[in-house]
This record gives sequence, C-alpha cells and structure tokens, in this order.
Amino acid sequence: GEDVEQSLFLSVREGDSSVINCTYTDSSSTYLYWYKQEPGAGLQLLTYIFSNMDMKQDQRLTVLLNKKDKHLSLRIADTQTGDSAIYFCAESMGSNTGKLIFGQGTTLQVKP
Amino acid sequence: GAVVSQHPSWVICKSGTSVKIECRSLDFQATTMFWYRQFPKQSLMLMATSNEGSKATYEQGVEKDKFLINHASLTLSTLTVTSAHPEDSSFYICSVPGRLYEQYFGPGTRLTVT
Repeated sequence: GEDVEQSLFLSVREGDSSVINCTYTDSSSTYLYWYKQEPGAGLQLLTYIFSNMDMKQDQRLTVLLNKKDKHLSLRIADTQTGDSAIYFCAESMGSNTGKLIFGQGTTLQVKP
Repeated sequence: GAVVSQHPSWVICKSGTSVKIECRSLDFQATTMFWYRQFPKQSLMLMATSNEGSKATYEQGVEKDKFLINHASLTLSTLTVTSAHPEDSSFYICSVPGRLYEQYFGPGTRLTVT
C-alpha cells in the first residue's frame, strides 16, 4: 500500500539551513505537501508541489521533488528558533487532494 | 489560509459514553470534509470522508458504527465517537478543501477516555 517515510529528528543551529527529507511510494500522487505542527496546535500548510514540477521556492522554503526516486525534500534557509516544530510531508491519493497520506513527521530542533 | 474550527478542543469522558466533535469551515462552503486521527508522536491517519447530503465514506479498518459522521450543512461536519473506550483516546483533526489544491486543517480535538 501507500507509504510515506521521514526521518524522525533533525537538529540545526540558528542561521543554518535545514533539509527535511521524505520518500513516498505512490507514483500516482498528483500533489505533495509540507505541513508544520507546533506543540498543541493544528497543522499549518507550508507549501505544496505538483508532481510534474521539480522545484518550488517560496521565500525561505525550497521544495525539491525527484519523481524518479520518489523523494521530496524541504529546505528552510536561515533557520530560526521559531521554526522549531514537527514537519509532515504528505502525498495525495492520486488526484484526490482531500485524502492525504502523511509521513511520521520530523521534529526540527533549532538551537540558538 | 482558510479558517477551520473544532469544538471542543479537549474533552474527557468516561468509558461507554458518546462524544460529539464539531468541525466548522469558516471561510469556505465544503461539500466534503475529512476526519483524521493522530496518536501521540505519530502520523495522521485518514478515517473518513464526510459528504454533505450523503453517507460518509470510511477508510479500511475504520468502524462506521463506532465513528458516526454527519455532514449537517456546507460548513459543519460532526464526528461522534460512540461507546467510547480508552483505546479511542486520540487527537481528532478535521480538514476542509481550499479553493485550489490546498487542504486546511482544524486545530484538533483531544479526546481522553477514562
């Protein structure tokens, strides 16, 4: 079945770049997403990318998609302490943007 | 982003009782909404699709008689956990489709069954 895998933990120093990686299995996924979850809060949509794109940049965020390897990454430039959170990647079930399969989440710790 | 609210944010109930959780879309009218479940330090799992005017569609392994879903209007979906047991304790999150490809999530409801 479909599966999304992420590393569980990443620690960086403030000002450095963070790269969070994700692999997925469903090649029919049309959309891939990155969400941020802060403690006690809901999911905040950070960005999404279509499966026919290789890269998307939005301010400090850069998403890279390698469809051949089914690999998705999120790069956060100039990481700040406020970026500390859990980051989830998710793939759509085919073209259904409402039905998402989530990874386990990567806890990003930013040290001052 | 779109605003999605959930009520209550936290509920504690006794085993055997039923609990209703509301999900409201404040920005969009939604013919479909989605219910997810998140266990502590784990991923979100899709439970069901709530359909306005028709029955909900449940994912494999989700008991439809246990988790009753009612899409009362274009802005409101409710999830009722019936005859709750401690293993039903979890974080329940709803989502609403945005205008394009976005999916907006509510803040979640933490259910604790004692």
